[in-house]
Amino acid sequence: DIQMTQSPSSLSASVGDRVTITCRASQGINYYLAWFQQKPGKAPKSLIYATSNLQSGVPSKFSGSGSGTDFTLTISSLQPEDFATYYCQQYNSFPLTFGGGTKVEI
Amino acid sequence: EVQLLESGGGLIQPGGSLRLSCAASGFTFSTYAMSWVRQAPGKGLEWVSIISDRGGDQHYADSVKGRFSLSRDNSKNTLYLQMDSLRADDTAVYFCAKGSGDSYPKSREFDCWGQGTLVTVSS
Repeated sequence: DIQMTQSPSSLSASVGDRVTITCRASQGINYYLAWFQQKPGKAPKSLIYATSNLQSGVPSKFSGSGSGTDFTLTISSLQPEDFATYYCQQYNSFPLTFGGGTKVEI
Repeated sequence: EVQLLESGGGLIQPGGSLRLSCAASGFTFSTYAMSWVRQAPGKGLEWVSIISDRGGDQHYADSVKGRFSLSRDNSKNTLYLQMDSLRADDTAVYFCAKGSGDSYPKSREFDCWGQGTLVTVSS
């Protein structure tokens, strides 16, 4: 199975900050990497697919990059509604696997 | 508007069975792969299973293989997850998720999620 490791597991930030979250795969996953946002008690929301493509309706302050085994999610200017937990997920091979999550807090 | 509505969760004793449903609307259900993802209380996301658009191909996480069975009724726009031999560690919120297409890799790209249904396995 491909292990997905996110770092940091949590971070404190302020409104307006630029935030970067890292996701590392235990083996190469091409560009088959997605990012999700989840707020407490809510369903995950799809943000990015195929490493860098925004889902419909997702604001451009979110961006993704990377290749092979190392990937990043960047939020260019953190807003109050962005405080949430973020997950990466690989879909290169079964079983599909998620990272452990990064909680973005004030 | 795409909508996914899960149902069927509840409290069940260890060893019991439960069937979850996911009713879909707002898109042509029969042309998209569908998945289940679960989240244990206070934990992260865990992929459970995926089914192809016509239902002929399924894949499962090792943790549920042989105990869970995924199916779909395209005439009813509904996805089902039959869960047998339930264990305490199956306790979780179960989300259904829509793939963005019917073939790899789009079938595995989740673009929409339901609100989830809670399954609690306890005596």
